[in-house]
Amino acid sequence: GNSVTQMEGPVTLSEEAFLTINCTYTATGYPSLFWYVQYPGEGLQLLLKATKADDKGSNKGFEATYRKETTSFHLEKGSVQVSDSAVYFCALSSNDYKLSFGAGTTVTVRA
Amino acid sequence: KAGVTQTPRYLIKTRGQQVTLSCSPISGHRSVSWYQQTPGQGLQFLFEYFSETQRNKGNFPGRFSGRQFSNSRSEMNVSTLELGDSALYLCASSPGQGPRGEKLFFGSGTQLSVL
Repeated sequence: GNSVTQMEGPVTLSEEAFLTINCTYTATGYPSLFWYVQYPGEGLQLLLKATKADDKGSNKGFEATYRKETTSFHLEKGSVQVSDSAVYFCALSSNDYKLSFGAGTTVTVRA
Repeated sequence: KAGVTQTPRYLIKTRGQQVTLSCSPISGHRSVSWYQQTPGQGLQFLFEYFSETQRNKGNFPGRFSGRQFSNSRSEMNVSTLELGDSALYLCASSPGQGPRGEKLFFGSGTQLSVL
């Protein structure tokens, strides 16, 4: 079945530091890949997505590239802010009307 | 446009009771999905509905059930509650056109505590 493995947190960074969160997946066929973010006290919201190999999703300074050869979708941001403190979830969707999520990575950015 | 609305926000029940959670999707969205979020298991898919039909179901016992009404609103029910059912239950909606690649819009969730 489908599964997503995310690097474990928590991750603590200083403002303006570089952030990388690793994500690898196992899936049949060609899934779509997503990063969702959950800010404190809020529901999940889509951060970015990619639907085919070599696609790059980007939003709010975050980027992730769909790498089929390494089955990866790592999230990166060049300069984080305090407001980026949140829980980040990698997820995939195949032809099954559902998302399979990774365990989530808690990121805390200190001023 | 109003977002996904889940009610109630918090719920406290005792073991053996049953509970019904409600979800109103974004206007025009016909697909509603439910997820359970716990610290130990993370986010687990419960079920997905489109136009009152269940299209997929996760690996949960039969005590967990759901339905969708003609106006796309959805409810999920958990019978004979167990302590392990304590979780944040998230509802998500989407236009529902395809089986993959769609952006889901999540509600803030219902926090269920079973005592």
